[in-house]
Parts: sequence; C-alpha cells; structure tokens
Amino acid sequence: QSVLTQPPSASGTPGQRVTISCSGSSSNIGSNSVNWYQQLPGTAPRLLIYSNNQRPSGVPDRFSGSKSGTSASLAISGLQSEVEADYYCATWDDSLNGPVFGGGTKLTVL
Amino acid sequence: EGQLLESGGDLVQPGGSLRLSCAASGFTFNSYAMSWVRQAPGKGLEWVSTISGSGDYTYYADSVKGRFTISRDNSKNTVFLQMNSLRAEDTALYYCAKDRNYYGSGSPQWDVWGQGTTVTVSS
Repeated sequence: QSVLTQPPSASGTPGQRVTISCSGSSSNIGSNSVNWYQQLPGTAPRLLIYSNNQRPSGVPDRFSGSKSGTSASLAISGLQSEVEADYYCATWDDSLNGPVFGGGTKLTVL
Repeated sequence: EGQLLESGGDLVQPGGSLRLSCAASGFTFNSYAMSWVRQAPGKGLEWVSTISGSGDYTYYADSVKGRFTISRDNSKNTVFLQMNSLRAEDTALYYCAKDRNYYGSGSPQWDVWGQGTTVTVSS
C-alpha cells in the first residue's frame, strides 16, 4: 500500500481536461513539494512537474500541477492519445526520511 | 541533458548477491545526487536508495536497509548498487536516476532516467 493515495485510473475524451489527485499527510505533502512523473507504456519514467507546479524544459504547458494542504493534483488539458500513460506523484516523507510515491494512475483517452 | 546506462541485472537465487552499475554521461556527474528506483512487474515505482554528489550522504528504503549498499565512483561517472541477501520480493526492473540537486534529500526531482536493468530472484 502506497504512502500517497492516487486513483488507480482516470479517463477522458480527446480535447477534454482531466485532473489526477494525490493525497498524503502532514509528514509528506503537507511539508514538502510534490513532483509528478509520466511513464509511457514500456518506457522509463519522465519528470513532468517538479516543486508542485514547475515544468522542466520540453514539457508542454498543457500539463500543470498544484498543491493545497496535504493534497496535490496534476491537470492535463487538450487530451490526446499520446498522453495515455501511468502518472505518479512523489514527495519526501519526513517520518520515513525518504521519498515516497503514489500508487500510480493509469490515464486512458477514450 | 545527460544519459544513464544501467547494467548488471541477472537471474539470481534467493540469498544471493548482485552488483548493479549505472554509467552516466552528458552532465557534471559529481554535482548531482543519484538514486535507484525499482518497479516490480506490473507494479508501481518504489524508491530504493540515494547517494549525494560527493558520496558522503546515503539514504535507503526500509525494505533494503542493511542488505543493499549504494556507492559512486566520480572518477568514472558511475553509481553502483550492491545487493546482498536477495529475496523474491526484490525482483524488479531497477532504474538509475539523476537528481536535480546535490544532496539528494528532500523532494525527489529525478530529471534523467536510464532504461533499467532487470533483477530476477528465483530458485
């Protein structure tokens, strides 16, 4: 069971906007910034969002992140089939003294 | 941006040992912390271990503490993961990842990943 809680699946139609949630506690999301990773089928993860809402160079601006209290969310607008992937949130946990992940959310474009 | 190439994965019996390597290129290796992250078949991502840029600081997941050792050779731009007393639950694809920061503590921002090396623990 993962320290951070994500819905196992999410879906949307082309062009739609979807959000993926990530819930934690005061020892992790509540006191540390959140990062998001995208894992396309059969490939290594890719850093999508860091420090809650920052995009690395090369990441399109249709990906955005936010954090409030002990929860965070990833929003993807203008859905296209190319964004079908698993998405993971990650942060540091002060109690465990290490990084923790969410269980991952599989995004399907219908 | 940089590249990472893992090697050393293999089929090993329970209780056995294995040493993974990750060769880095395209960035100033000793300026960044490095981590190992694993993914069991059909499962999510799990952090394993992190080492600071100089190698002075190391961190381990509770699941591997006392069995795995992370190290680095900055003269060869390589990070290692020595895995002892392997268990079936260690079976996974092991990724090497570069941190955006030097120390490796704090929120994990891994911006370069290798393609992974497969470790299978089975009799």
